[in-house]
Parts: sequence; C-alpha cells; structure tokens
Amino acid sequence: DGGITQSPKYLFRKEGQNVTLSCEQNLNHDAMYWYRQDPGQGLRLIYYSQIVNDFQKGDIAEGYSVSREKKESFPLTVTSAQKNPTAFYLCASSTSGQSTEAFFGQGTRLTVV
Amino acid sequence: GENVEQHPSTLSVQEGDSAVIKCTYSDSASNYFPWYKQELGKRPQLIIDIRSNVGEKKDQRIAVTLNKTAKHFSLHITETQPEDSAVYFCAARHPGYALNFGKGTSLLVTP
Repeated sequence: DGGITQSPKYLFRKEGQNVTLSCEQNLNHDAMYWYRQDPGQGLRLIYYSQIVNDFQKGDIAEGYSVSREKKESFPLTVTSAQKNPTAFYLCASSTSGQSTEAFFGQGTRLTVV
Repeated sequence: GENVEQHPSTLSVQEGDSAVIKCTYSDSASNYFPWYKQELGKRPQLIIDIRSNVGEKKDQRIAVTLNKTAKHFSLHITETQPEDSAVYFCAARHPGYALNFGKGTSLLVTP
C-alpha cells in the first residue's frame, strides 16, 4: 500500500510531553518529508531530508525535531515547545530526481490534551 | 521560498459538468507541478503532474495546463462524477527542495 508506513494512526498526549511519530518506507527512496495538515491550511512543510544524516527545516520547523540515521526511517518528534501540536501529520518520500512523485503515508492524527 | 496560491477554496458542480482549479506559484525556477487528490480520512494521492518543459498533459477526464510565463497552472476535470468529490491540492517544486502545496480546493459533485 505505497510502501510508506506511519504509526500510530491516532496518538493522544498530555500537554508538555514530547512525542515521536514514526515513518518507515521500503521504497528505497532517498528523500523523505514531514508535513502538517490543518483544516483550510493545506500541507505545510515541517522538515525534509534528501539523504541519510542530513535534513533541512521547512516553513514551520519550530517546536519539532527529526533524525535521519537510516534511509528507511525519518521519525518526527513533537516537543513541548510546539505551541499548537494537535494536527494531522503526513510523512512522504520520493526518489531524489527533480521531477518525481511524492508518496504519502496514511498519516498520524495527534491530539494533545 | 516558493509560495503557491490555489483558487477556489470550495467548488460545487453538477454531475457531468466540468471543474477547473487554478494555482499560481512565485518561484520561476520551479519545474515540477503535481496535483493530489485527498478523500476524507485518507492520504493524498497523485492524480496528474506536469513538468516545466510541457504546456499541457491529459489523462482521460483530467488535464493540467501550465503557463510558465504567467507562473500559473490549472487542473481541468471533465464529465465530473460524484466519486470526484474530494479535496484537491496543487504543488510546486524548486529543484533540490521539497514540494510546496496550495491550501486545497474542496470539490463537491452533486448528482
């Protein structure tokens, strides 16, 4: 089913706690991305990584952190510094070519209470 | 960075009519323009894409046009069906960077 898996599908956390969202792909893609989706806001880029051990901030990186220790994995940590963390988070991957399709995971809906 | 504007935010059409969604982008170096469809509760999926060296591309009832000079591109859906109802996102990519998305168009096709 696209070869990119996010877990869990739903996640609940208390305010002030850090939480890590998982993203794994078996498509042998070099590039991976994290987007946040809020109603009426489209998909906003949090972080992206073009290659292992390297990543860049997107438009809304504040309060988030990532790592890219393996090609297959790109976990996203939502820290307590993120002021409004409740959202739908989408991970995607693509080959490193300039004009290539991005494949999305099924998303994780994070609710902070 | 790249800024993608998408209009309209909502669109309602009768079954069988055509639907058009328009996007503009700011970065003249962007060279890849995909369109994604997202059904309720599901992941976005690519429906069609176009590269900067092409002006138009068609796939059955779906077509995309690109005007590089004006920096805008459009999605055209003909003979709409109720299963076309979804949120549609346009995006643009500058080489070496991630996709930047528009805010989406919620399309409703009524029987």
